[in-house]
Amino acid sequence: DTEVTQTPKHLVMGMTNKKSLKCEQHMGHRAMYWYKQKAKKPPELMFVYSYEKLSINESVPSRFSPECPNSSLLNLHLHALQPEDSALYLCASSQGGGGYTEAFFGQGTRLTVV
Amino acid sequence: DQQVKQNSPSLSVQEGRISILNCDYTNSMFDYFLWYKKYPAEGPTFLISISSIKDKNEDGRFTVFLNKSAKHLSLHIVPSQPGDSAVYFCAASERYGNKLVFGAGTILRVKS
Repeated sequence: DTEVTQTPKHLVMGMTNKKSLKCEQHMGHRAMYWYKQKAKKPPELMFVYSYEKLSINESVPSRFSPECPNSSLLNLHLHALQPEDSALYLCASSQGGGGYTEAFFGQGTRLTVV
Repeated sequence: DQQVKQNSPSLSVQEGRISILNCDYTNSMFDYFLWYKKYPAEGPTFLISISSIKDKNEDGRFTVFLNKSAKHLSLHIVPSQPGDSAVYFCAASERYGNKLVFGAGTILRVKS
């Protein structure tokens, strides 16, 4: 099973809303990632969790708040977003623990902020 | 500063012919390279990878070549099929890093 599952697939939220994106993997991977992708651009790294601890935060605004409840789950809490935050949000996982980082991606959540 | 560059935004190839997608990198600490394929509104799908100790890796129709001295890698698809039409991203990481850096992508169109 090489699947990373993200929910929801689509999300429309207002600028005052609070919502969460969810990601799940059952490959025993110990590194999990959030990426953001705007149209016609490459995925940009937001956060990396390694062994359930936040190891990389790419200077992401605090209106994005990641959480790793356990080794299989990764959440991204959203609050007071701006229209320019509309994008495809991708979750990924890899074996972690150093070494090579062959990451497997989920299908993404298409987020629209209105 | 773009550490991974894909200078061709698009490529059009006839079905059955070879597709060659190119990628250059600037960070000499990168030692693992990957190619991903992406359809619209979907997540990237891992295709093939190569570590810096090799100069070639082959998987079916896909072959990746690495030229470390030139900091250049390429993906060859032979024979190309219409289903290969997608955006192809080159990505790179350092050995002990948990961070993939992506190129801008190349749109491949395979015409039947």
